[in-house]
Amino acid sequence: GESVGLHLPTLSVQEGDNSIINCAYSNSASDYFIWYKQESGKGPQFIIDIRSNMDKRQGQRVTVLLNKTVKHLSLQIAATQPGDSAVYFCAENGNNNAGNMLTFGGGTRLMVKP
Amino acid sequence: ETGVTQTPRHLVMGMTNKKSLKCEQHLGHNAMYWYKQSAKKPLELMFVYNFKEQTENNSVPSRFSPECPNSSHLFLHLHTLQPEDSALYLCASSQAHGGRGETQYFGPGTRLLVL
Repeated sequence: GESVGLHLPTLSVQEGDNSIINCAYSNSASDYFIWYKQESGKGPQFIIDIRSNMDKRQGQRVTVLLNKTVKHLSLQIAATQPGDSAVYFCAENGNNNAGNMLTFGGGTRLMVKP
Repeated sequence: ETGVTQTPRHLVMGMTNKKSLKCEQHLGHNAMYWYKQSAKKPLELMFVYNFKEQTENNSVPSRFSPECPNSSHLFLHLHTLQPEDSALYLCASSQAHGGRGETQYFGPGTRLLVL
């Protein structure tokens, strides 16, 4: 069936390094994607989104890349900090014809080593 | 803070209890959502309300009963739950539920333990 999935359940990086979190999606009808960050004991926090008419979108220290050819989404975090430690989820909207329902991936845990 | 608040933050209840979860959004949004987040599972959509009308019920058991008195408030009434219903219950809101690709903003969640 259609699904949103993550390649790596846990990613460990050194403080100051760049992090790349990946997400594969299989629903070709998806045209809106979101990355969320969830810290322990908190709800998911919106980080950045991208629509399918774009390949790249940048925020503050974060960049989302969309490769529609291979149905791949990635989140890049520059100069990773201890405060970036969290679980990161991708979500897509292609699960229904209206495109107004989000389907979430399982999440990747990012651990930042000091 | 995301502008979405949830109370209580933690709840322990027995299987015969009745309790309610409350969500309030201060973003001027018109759509509100309930999600269930269990350990090692992706977020599961439970209910959607758009302009106070329920538009989605994702095959949720009747022991979960939502209520949306206005666009800013959403409740989840709980009755005769099972231990497997223990999870983090998240509320979210978005501008509306009709557009293609609406950003949803989440509250902090209620951590529920059913004994």
